[in-house]
Amino acid sequence: DQQVKQNSPSLSVQEGRISILNCDYTNSMFDYFLWYKKYPAEGPTFLISISSIKDKNEDGRFTVFLNKSAKHLSLHIVPSQPGDSAVYFCAASARGGKLIFGQGTELSVKP
Amino acid sequence: EAQVTQNPRYLITVTGKKLTVTCSQNMNHEYMSWYRQDPGLGLRQIYYSMNVEVTDKGDVPEGYKVSRKEKRNFPLILESPSPNQTSLYFCASGRDRANSPLHFGNGTRLTVT
Repeated sequence: DQQVKQNSPSLSVQEGRISILNCDYTNSMFDYFLWYKKYPAEGPTFLISISSIKDKNEDGRFTVFLNKSAKHLSLHIVPSQPGDSAVYFCAASARGGKLIFGQGTELSVKP
Repeated sequence: EAQVTQNPRYLITVTGKKLTVTCSQNMNHEYMSWYRQDPGLGLRQIYYSMNVEVTDKGDVPEGYKVSRKEKRNFPLILESPSPNQTSLYFCASGRDRANSPLHFGNGTRLTVT
């Protein structure tokens, strides 16, 4: 039972345009959500996070939106750059030590 | 430099031969965890540790053991590896819990034949 789902395995976007990566979850006990970015042959790196008491968090070109009623979060990258090409994972936690990741979305930003 | 170091980067072994993948962090983090990455399944948590001598199961703990005798080290032990444990493994550490921004190692590619 996949509690965190990223239904788009891949996304292709033109440089300068907006990239929108989506993530759905099923467990209403999740209270914190994070996005990680992964380049080939490297470990994931933390990108941005959001607490369930908020509906938006922004950090430079990256914004995460949380819709609790729909159990949906999205990551917006504006403007997209070729260096943003990577696999993006969303993750969710419900206090303590458990962390559940989605399957990942491979973003390709074309010049 | 803040880092999580995993060793080895690549490992090929045979079914049943015990192995250990080491993980060390230099950030004095309380929280450490192990994940495996498989195609189409994303990252799945194997075990985590909230502090020294405190470990707990993640989503896929079967066939794995861990220990946390010191704050900086969190080795992953496969007592009797099987081919379905062929995967890419990542160790991570965070300040105090899973929702802390995690620092990941560069991964260990394990093949069990």
